[in-house]
Amino acid sequence: DQQVKQNSPSLSVQEGRISILNCDYTNSMFDYFLWYKKYPAEGPTFLISISSIKDKNEDGRFTVFLNKSAKHLSLHIVPSQPGDSAVYFCAASRRTGNTGKLIFGQGTTLQVKP
Amino acid sequence: EAGVAQSPRYKIIEKRQSVAFWCNPISGHATLYWYQQILGQGPKLLIQFQNNGVVDDSQLPKDRFSAERLKGVDSTLKIQPAKLEDSAVYLCASSLRNPGDEQFFGPGTRLTVL
Repeated sequence: DQQVKQNSPSLSVQEGRISILNCDYTNSMFDYFLWYKKYPAEGPTFLISISSIKDKNEDGRFTVFLNKSAKHLSLHIVPSQPGDSAVYFCAASRRTGNTGKLIFGQGTTLQVKP
Repeated sequence: EAGVAQSPRYKIIEKRQSVAFWCNPISGHATLYWYQQILGQGPKLLIQFQNNGVVDDSQLPKDRFSAERLKGVDSTLKIQPAKLEDSAVYLCASSLRNPGDEQFFGPGTRLTVL
């Protein structure tokens, strides 16, 4: 049972353009969502998060949008840079009354071409 | 600040052999996680410790996997005996204390079972 899904295994964009990575979830009890970035041979690193009480969170070039009714979130990177090329994982958790366990999607490989 | 340390970085064994992985979390982090990441999938939580107590081991195959966190600091994850399907990257992560605190990941151990 895949509770968090990233349906696009890969995405290729030109440097300077917008990258949009998508994520869908099925469990309505999730109240906290995160994006992690992973380079080869390294562990995932935290990028940005959003609580279910918000619909948007912005941090520099990175913005996460949450649509609770559609159980969908997206990560926008503007402008995209070659150094953004990595695997991006969406994750979800129930922070309230829970262990904080993260459920990860399968990941999307982003390639930003110079 | 030193990050999460893991060793070894790579391990190749034959099926039915045993293997152990070691993790040293960030100093002062009470919560420690072990994840399994199979190629093409997102990390899946195997076990979560709070200090030296187990919080969640619902997805740990207990017939062959075991983990311990003596003295609430570093941790070992053992597989005995290994199966072909155990080939994966084993990631260790730590967080400060509370559910929802940011998880910091180590570089992982890539296990290949032949």
